[in-house]
Amino acid sequence: EVQLVESGGGLVKPGGSLRLSCAASGFTIINAWMSWVRQAPGKGLEWVGRIKSKTDGGTTDYAAPVKGRFTISRDDSKNTLYLQMNSLKTEDTAVYYCTTLRMTSFSDYWGQGTLVTVSS
Amino acid sequence: DVVMTQSPLSLPVTLGQPASISCRSSQSLVHSDGNTYLNWFQQRPGQSPRRLIYKVSNRDSGVPDRFSGSGSGTDFTLKIGRVEAEDVGVYYCMQGTHWPPVTFGPGTKVDIK
Repeated sequence: EVQLVESGGGLVKPGGSLRLSCAASGFTIINAWMSWVRQAPGKGLEWVGRIKSKTDGGTTDYAAPVKGRFTISRDDSKNTLYLQMNSLKTEDTAVYYCTTLRMTSFSDYWGQGTLVTVSS
Repeated sequence: DVVMTQSPLSLPVTLGQPASISCRSSQSLVHSDGNTYLNWFQQRPGQSPRRLIYKVSNRDSGVPDRFSGSGSGTDFTLKIGRVEAEDVGVYYCMQGTHWPPVTFGPGTKVDIK
């Protein structure tokens, strides 16, 4: 069974930092482009950013609201994706999902999400 | 960035009756490779999103055949043939043709009358 399990969420003060992890099991992420998608309480889905596979360059792209503050990385040897979040703002409060976010016939996977609350 | 809109935003339906959700993009979603990267997702209450449809009309494995997707260019539709209780949730369209960034529609909440 394929699982993506996010961890690392919690309560943090504005201006603080947090690092989320996404551990994959049942499939290997090494060839997958991986994304983070967030959902503010009671709101819709918002793409945060993605990282390509190392064979495709391993480059990253980010949504405008998080660019320069968030960094996505991957450790294929640990089958794990990361999201480093710095200079957090109250508007970053959301459930953060790790996902393959695929556009083609390959199966698409999502984690259960981890809640990040930014509040003083 | 491509803006995705959906209508209606709220859709009360009667069990066993059909339902239809419209999704429009601010520019054509036809990619230079000839494909149209438009996905539909279902998010049941308290659950993570789940992809139902990819590339406009292709159902994911395990998705009931009462779900169908259609459309082209900038106009797309998700249809539920006969709504069942388990279909309650929020449905999102998403474009992956012009990314970054990926953009989602605002969501359509489907519930039972």
